[in-house]
Amino acid sequence: DVKVTQSSRYLVKRTGEKVFLECVQDMDHENMFWYRQDPGLGLRLIYFSYDVKMKEKGDIPEGYSVSREKKERFSLILESASTNQTSMYLCASTADDTQYFGPGTRLTVL
Amino acid sequence: QKEVEQNSGPLSVPEGAIASLNCTYSDRGSQSFFWYRQYSGKSPELIMSIYSNGDKEDGRFTAQLNKASQYVSLLIRDSQPSDSATYLCAVTRGSARQLTFGSGTQLTVLP
Repeated sequence: DVKVTQSSRYLVKRTGEKVFLECVQDMDHENMFWYRQDPGLGLRLIYFSYDVKMKEKGDIPEGYSVSREKKERFSLILESASTNQTSMYLCASTADDTQYFGPGTRLTVL
Repeated sequence: QKEVEQNSGPLSVPEGAIASLNCTYSDRGSQSFFWYRQYSGKSPELIMSIYSNGDKEDGRFTAQLNKASQYVSLLIRDSQPSDSATYLCAVTRGSARQLTFGSGTQLTVLP
């Protein structure tokens, strides 16, 4: 079974803090993705990576950056957290066309 | 126009009925289409994928694709209370096969 894990299920941070969300997959997948999910808006793509050290902006990259130093690990970084970044963050990795999602991190920025 | 639009919910059906979920997409070049199910507080899980026009059946689920009309649907036969969830339509785009999701339709199956 494919396993995608995320570093935290729940996280509370203060405005202005630097926040790291980590995602690890165990299936040697090339492509990894970060989404955020908000009520009524569905899942929106923040960034994705198709190889180590390669990254591409998704639909809503502003305020975020990413890092992929190893194939199995894809990190999402909020350089200076803001309240409008309070959301559910979902990581996914893909083999062929199937995206496998991690359990999600619910981030609250106060 | 949103890239992927789903019929507005929430949708309620009685147990044993057919639930019909609909989705339209704007990019005529889209090749791959998916339905994900998401239970409250959980992450999405893939239930159906469809690539060519017509119907694809898997147990109680049938996905239907009409590329000319840019329309994809999901039928759930003999709906069960355990089918109560949010259903997300997704369409592939780009070389990394990134997905564009609709906003989801919340389905409740009433016992």
